[in-house]
Amino acid sequence: DAKTTQPTSMDCAEGRAANLPCNHSTISGNEYVYWYRQIHSQGPQYIIHGLKNNETNEMASLIITEDRKSSTLILPHATLRDTAVYYCIVRGSGGGADGLTFGKGTHLIIQP
Amino acid sequence: DTGVSQDPRHKITKRGQNVTFRCDPISEHNRLYWYRQTLGQGPEFLTYFQNEAQLEKSRLLSDRFSAERPKGSFSTLEIQRTEQGDSAMYLCASSQSRLAGTQYFGPGTRLTVL
Repeated sequence: DAKTTQPTSMDCAEGRAANLPCNHSTISGNEYVYWYRQIHSQGPQYIIHGLKNNETNEMASLIITEDRKSSTLILPHATLRDTAVYYCIVRGSGGGADGLTFGKGTHLIIQP
Repeated sequence: DTGVSQDPRHKITKRGQNVTFRCDPISEHNRLYWYRQTLGQGPEFLTYFQNEAQLEKSRLLSDRFSAERPKGSFSTLEIQRTEQGDSAMYLCASSQSRLAGTQYFGPGTRLTVL
């Protein structure tokens, strides 16, 4: 699976959009971009994933650049409960044999 | 609640003792994964099952670690002769095989080895 690079930490004001970047310049054609988050003392939570088109669900939007070398997770109206570590993960399609490869993620702090 | 559950939530043991953790996945999920997470790090994949078959175990940290899923439902992770370095959060996740990247995690078992 391709390696990802994320900022160590970010701040965002409550009510504003939080934009979390991720670089994955070595991503290959059949690899998806997944985002998970982990709120303190809880297990990770799946947020969203995509291949090359932008995706949106009830939690967030995922914007993938045309060359697929980077992506941005957008939380449109951040709340204090969105304070968490956010992990960007690149993974092959289908039922691959390995588990998820987590890096250190981005610690997002929502400020009141 | 129909999510992934883990038991116990916390375990304190003395060095050299054996410990066993249990994971109950989401009922319709045929894949079950175990991860370990140490302070300040992301979760680290250990092993996974598809139904009762353990399809990947080369990532288990040592031969003191073993996992089972005897009937393809719940799973257990055992650590024999615990060491202080085994202190960590042990996470379980489950998924459908056709959506293996979308995993649902339990709350974890926090192990402290004294």
